[in-house]
Amino acid sequence: SYVLTQPPSVSVAPGETASITCGGNNIGTKSVHWYQQKPGQAPVVVIFYDSVRPSGIPERFSGSNSANTATLTISRVEAGDEADYYCQVWDPFSDHRWVFGSGTKVTVL
Amino acid sequence: QVQLQESGPGLVKPSQTLSLTCTVSGGSIRSGDYYWNWIRQPPGKGLEWIGTFGNTHYNPSLKSRVTMSLDTSKNQFSLKLNSVTAADTAVYFCARVTLDDSGSYFSDYWGQGTLVTVAS
Repeated sequence: SYVLTQPPSVSVAPGETASITCGGNNIGTKSVHWYQQKPGQAPVVVIFYDSVRPSGIPERFSGSNSANTATLTISRVEAGDEADYYCQVWDPFSDHRWVFGSGTKVTVL
Repeated sequence: QVQLQESGPGLVKPSQTLSLTCTVSGGSIRSGDYYWNWIRQPPGKGLEWIGTFGNTHYNPSLKSRVTMSLDTSKNQFSLKLNSVTAADTAVYFCARVTLDDSGSYFSDYWGQGTLVTVAS
């Protein structure tokens, strides 16, 4: 089945930019979705279709996807952005249709 | 505003069947415009897809033990996982599945999750 690779952790100072990568074979040909999960809460989609923000998600969240890497970028990081972030793709060519990355813990210093 | 709420036993004995229900409010489950997911998260670990009802597919590693169904009269969908072991201990989430413009699927609404512990 398709594999998505994320770094376990990213640390960033308030006001700086955090970049979270999601690697996969030719991931640029797939649509990538990103979820934010805070402790004890359900995941919330922050980016879908590579770069589309749902209503209510701050403009500080953006996404890109090319070649073998998709990236979630959080600009002007705030303390409230501290969370786990998961990328996800839907793979119609595999029995394992839904694939999640292993997650990245974003720590705001 | 669509809301989902999981319900079911918080403790299941090994070898028995885990049964959960997800009640959907704020929208009809019957509409056919959406599919429905079960996803779980073992304590301290990442998200694991269990299966999707509607465009029905199951995680191959769980397929032999999973059954999903819909009860449109109650606006609910359900999950049964049989022959459980301690490895099935997790927070179980139900979620709505939405199609994006590229033909891919993601989950836009999630329940709060319910912890199910498998222990004797």
